[in-house]
Amino acid sequence: AQSVAQPEDQVNVAEGNPLTVKCTYSVSGNPYLFWYVQYPNRGLQFLLKYITGDNLVKGSYGFEAEFNKSQTSFHLKKPSALVSDSALYFCAVISYNQGGKLIFGQGTELSVKP
Amino acid sequence: SAVISQKPSRDICQRGTSLTIQCQVDSQVTMMFWYRQQPGQSLTLIATANQGSEATYESGFVIDKFPISRPNLTFSTLTVSNMSPEDSSIYLCSVAGTASSYEQYFGPGTRLTVT
Repeated sequence: AQSVAQPEDQVNVAEGNPLTVKCTYSVSGNPYLFWYVQYPNRGLQFLLKYITGDNLVKGSYGFEAEFNKSQTSFHLKKPSALVSDSALYFCAVISYNQGGKLIFGQGTELSVKP
Repeated sequence: SAVISQKPSRDICQRGTSLTIQCQVDSQVTMMFWYRQQPGQSLTLIATANQGSEATYESGFVIDKFPISRPNLTFSTLTVSNMSPEDSSIYLCSVAGTASSYEQYFGPGTRLTVT
């Protein structure tokens, strides 16, 4: 079965420190991986994606993510967290073995304190 | 990326009634989707809205409960029928990016509370 796991319900980081939000996946075939962010009372915003090519992908707002095929992971990172980064983050995967369906992880609440 | 709007942004409805949610996109798109986000939960795909044909529903979702219309390439509606408190959720529409980009773009969502 295709699935995405975000092992941490919540991540707490001090402003200015690096942050990591973890994601692992299980799919058949090549994974197409995505990160989305949801601010309170707003829809999801696309942050970045991995389709093919370099394992380190850069996205919006200074975020980046590293695709690791051997560990089936796609962790989201940022070198220096901002208070405004506090939001709900979702990892997602498309597997074209499942007709292109987008499968979401359960979400990780990121809290950045000043 | 496409600009997506949804109406209403939120509503409070009585059980047994129905609510129709509209999704408007500022450009023609092939693929449109409807998702549900229950309180404190992740997103679950309800159905793919197909232009000119019946929507394709995911397991656990049926047309009688969630009828969907897609009259053209920029507009879709989702109706939540015969509502119960368990239908209280955020409902989001999304559109697929181009064939070469794969990502989906989401509307702001409709927050539904059923009393």
